[in-house]
Amino acid sequence: EVQLLESGGGLVQPGGSLRLSCAASGFTFSSYAMSWVRRAPGKGLEWVSGFSGSSGSTYYADSAKGRFAISRDNSKNTLYLQMNSLRAEDTAVYYCAKSPGPTLLSYYFDYWGQGTLVTVSS
Amino acid sequence: EIVVTQSPAALSVSPGERATLSCRASQTVGSNLAWYQLKPGQAPRLLIYGASTRATGIPARFSGSGSGTEFTLTISSLQSEDFAVYYCQQYNNWPPSMYTFGQGTKLEIK
Repeated sequence: EVQLLESGGGLVQPGGSLRLSCAASGFTFSSYAMSWVRRAPGKGLEWVSGFSGSSGSTYYADSAKGRFAISRDNSKNTLYLQMNSLRAEDTAVYYCAKSPGPTLLSYYFDYWGQGTLVTVSS
Repeated sequence: EIVVTQSPAALSVSPGERATLSCRASQTVGSNLAWYQLKPGQAPRLLIYGASTRATGIPARFSGSGSGTEFTLTISSLQSEDFAVYYCQQYNNWPPSMYTFGQGTKLEIK
């Protein structure tokens, strides 16, 4: 059974940093592309960042470029999102999501975690 | 950027009745459209991909249709566990930052 378990969320002041983790199990983690998707309060879903399972390429939404960094440790089956220079508008539930293939090309997300809440506030 | 618009924003339906949710893309996405179900405190669940293919384990009462710019998710006979928020997502363009979601439809019990 595929399981994705996020952790690392919490309350942080504007300008601060957080590192989110996503522990994966039930599939060959290194073979699949993985992403972070967020849902801000009262808003819809927004793709934030993705990591190809095959090429090691990383991708970012414009809102995350230069501030967030995605990484993965295939030996630990874990995906990370380092978030720096956080802003109030980054407040959201952050979900880890798996793609059904090794790349992000033309793919949806077939499994998701339950999410971790990030609150940016002074 | 492709804008994805869902309608209605909220829909009240009685258990046992049919629910029809719409999703419109601002330009063609072919059949590269997925539907997801979100419930509070739970992991989002993939329902439909490729506009009309049910994901693993999804009951047959869920069906997707459409192509190009107009898409529909139909739930044929609503069960109590189906009341949730539904999102569509297009994944036609590249890079993935262009994979956009709709704003969601909240399906409520009437």
